[in-house]
Amino acid sequence: GENVEQHPSTLSVQEGDSAVIKCTYSDSASNYFPWYKQELGKGPQLIIDIRSNVGEKKDQRIAVTLNKTAKHFSLHITETQPEDSAVYFCAAMEYSTLTFGKGTMLLVSP
Amino acid sequence: KAGVTQTPRYLIKTRGQQVTLSCSPISGHRSVSWYQQTPGQGLQFLFEYFSETQRNKGNFPGRFSGRQFSNSRSEMNVSTLELGDSALYLCASSTGTGETEAFFGQGTRLTVV
Repeated sequence: GENVEQHPSTLSVQEGDSAVIKCTYSDSASNYFPWYKQELGKGPQLIIDIRSNVGEKKDQRIAVTLNKTAKHFSLHITETQPEDSAVYFCAAMEYSTLTFGKGTMLLVSP
Repeated sequence: KAGVTQTPRYLIKTRGQQVTLSCSPISGHRSVSWYQQTPGQGLQFLFEYFSETQRNKGNFPGRFSGRQFSNSRSEMNVSTLELGDSALYLCASSTGTGETEAFFGQGTRLTVV
């Protein structure tokens, strides 16, 4: 089955800095890669996604890149704000099933 | 447009009991997937239902079961509860056709004592 590795497990940045979270996956059959943000006491919220026929996608301060050959994908957050503090999960979808990374706790200090 | 609704939000059960959790997906979505979230194991896939049929299943014991109704609402049942079943149970709603966005509910926090 699919295996998703996510790094780092924790990330502390100053407000205004950029943050990068990296994931790798194992199964080349996976073609859809979403990113979720989970705040305390809430369910995961879909923030951006990318499909295997696209190398990069951007939505305001958030961007995701995908290298399908290397089986890497990354989340980039620019101009971080305190409200970006949360746990971020990457995932890979195969046959409508999501396999998640272990999560990255992002802390943005004012 | 209403989001994914899970009930109840919190449950406390005793070892050996059984529990039923409910999930109402986004209107028009036919797929409901269930995930277990724990600090140690993270988010793990339990099963997926599409048009009242279980389409995919994760590596959980048979004590974990589910079903889906004709209106796409889904229930998950856990029998003979163990302490290790304490977790946040999340359901995700999607159209179920191809690789499409999955939207999560707030989850049900189950505590087994």
